[in-house]
Amino acid sequence: GQNIDQPTEMTATEGAIVQINCTYQTSGFNGLFWYQQHAGEAPTFLSYNVLDGLEEKGRFSSFLSRSKGYSYLLLKELQMKDSASYLCAVRDLSGNTPLVFGKGTRLSVIA
Amino acid sequence: GAVVSQHPSWVICKSGTSVKIECRSLDFQATTMFWYRQFPKQSLMLMATSNEGSKATYEQGVEKDKFLINHASLTLSTLTVTSAHPEDSSFYICSAREGGPSTDTQYFGPGTRLTVL
Repeated sequence: GQNIDQPTEMTATEGAIVQINCTYQTSGFNGLFWYQQHAGEAPTFLSYNVLDGLEEKGRFSSFLSRSKGYSYLLLKELQMKDSASYLCAVRDLSGNTPLVFGKGTRLSVIA
Repeated sequence: GAVVSQHPSWVICKSGTSVKIECRSLDFQATTMFWYRQFPKQSLMLMATSNEGSKATYEQGVEKDKFLINHASLTLSTLTVTSAHPEDSSFYICSAREGGPSTDTQYFGPGTRLTVL
């Protein structure tokens, strides 16, 4: 079966650092994605990991451990505009297959 | 990055009517596009996989006769909600994969908010 777990909600303070974890159990693995989704809008692509390690992109970083079926998204220097849902998604097969999405983590950034 | 557009961005229709939503990949060719539905405060739910030049693959529980998908070209897929009812009111989002060994990213359209009265 396929299962992707991430926390439902998180709250963090403006300027701080927050880590959003994602664990997955899928029949195969061909890449892990993080998306940001503001309320009422479509998801936007943040990062893609297919090999173990950390990928850094400005204030956002994503980490993957394939052996542990684990990833996290790290957001630094939080801004109010970072308040959104963050979706972890896994491609379990190669080719043109859809992503398997987690339920998303709703992040609230407070002053 | 790759751009995917959707039209219309929102639509209000009467119960029993049909609504067509277009999804276009603007700067790349997408042999496969995906259609999702999202209810308020819930995650994306995959409805179907749209393959250019062939029949769509529907997820379990999605009525293929109600949600008609046509992928006529490498840059256009359409979703038609036939005989829409209030329970079909939702946020419909398409995505397209820009493939390649170093990219392999799925890009989303901006979504279409459907309200059925």
